[in-house]
Amino acid sequence: DQQVKQNSPSLSVQEGRISILNCDYTNSMFDYFLWYKKYPAEGPTFLISISSIKDKNEDGRFTVFLNKSAKHLSLHIVPSQPGDSAVYFCAASTGNQFYFGTGTSLTVIP
Amino acid sequence: DARVTQTPRHKVTEMGQEVTMRCQPILGHNTVFWYRQTMMQGLELLAYFRNRAPLDDSGMPKDRFSAEMPDATLATLKIQPSEPRDSAVYFCASGGGQTPSSPLHFGNGTRLTVT
Repeated sequence: DQQVKQNSPSLSVQEGRISILNCDYTNSMFDYFLWYKKYPAEGPTFLISISSIKDKNEDGRFTVFLNKSAKHLSLHIVPSQPGDSAVYFCAASTGNQFYFGTGTSLTVIP
Repeated sequence: DARVTQTPRHKVTEMGQEVTMRCQPILGHNTVFWYRQTMMQGLELLAYFRNRAPLDDSGMPKDRFSAEMPDATLATLKIQPSEPRDSAVYFCASGGGQTPSSPLHFGNGTRLTVT
């Protein structure tokens, strides 16, 4: 049973515009949420995270929003750049295990 | 720059053969995870270790998969016998920063093809 879901397999955005990637989860015990970025032939790399006690965390062009009541997480990238083209994985943790979504492939069009 | 090292990067084998994948976690990390990337399941957790002890391997097909940590610098994932449906990319990740939720660091994966 998939505890973390990314319902959009792909997303295309024009360079300079905002990219919004979404993630839903089912387990209310998750206390930490992360986004990873993956390029082809490489492993996922950590991008940004948020604790369940917060609703927003920002790091440069990347902002993660958490809506606990809706069990929903989103990643905003603004402005989007061609180098942001990659697969983005949402992950949730209970402190012991990390559960990942199926990924969203982002293409930023120059 | 510390990183997780996985070998081999690619493995092509015939059905029925034994496959061993190796992982060197980042020095000082006390948790090691094995994930399998598939189109349908994304990153599927197979097993994980804390301080070399297996804590959860419920994601692995027990009859053919086994995971071990002979020492703190080596984790192995074995498949015996391998089957075509095992074809996937297998990732190792290590963690163990200041908090239990410190981000995992992934290796570049082993791409396994079973014919």
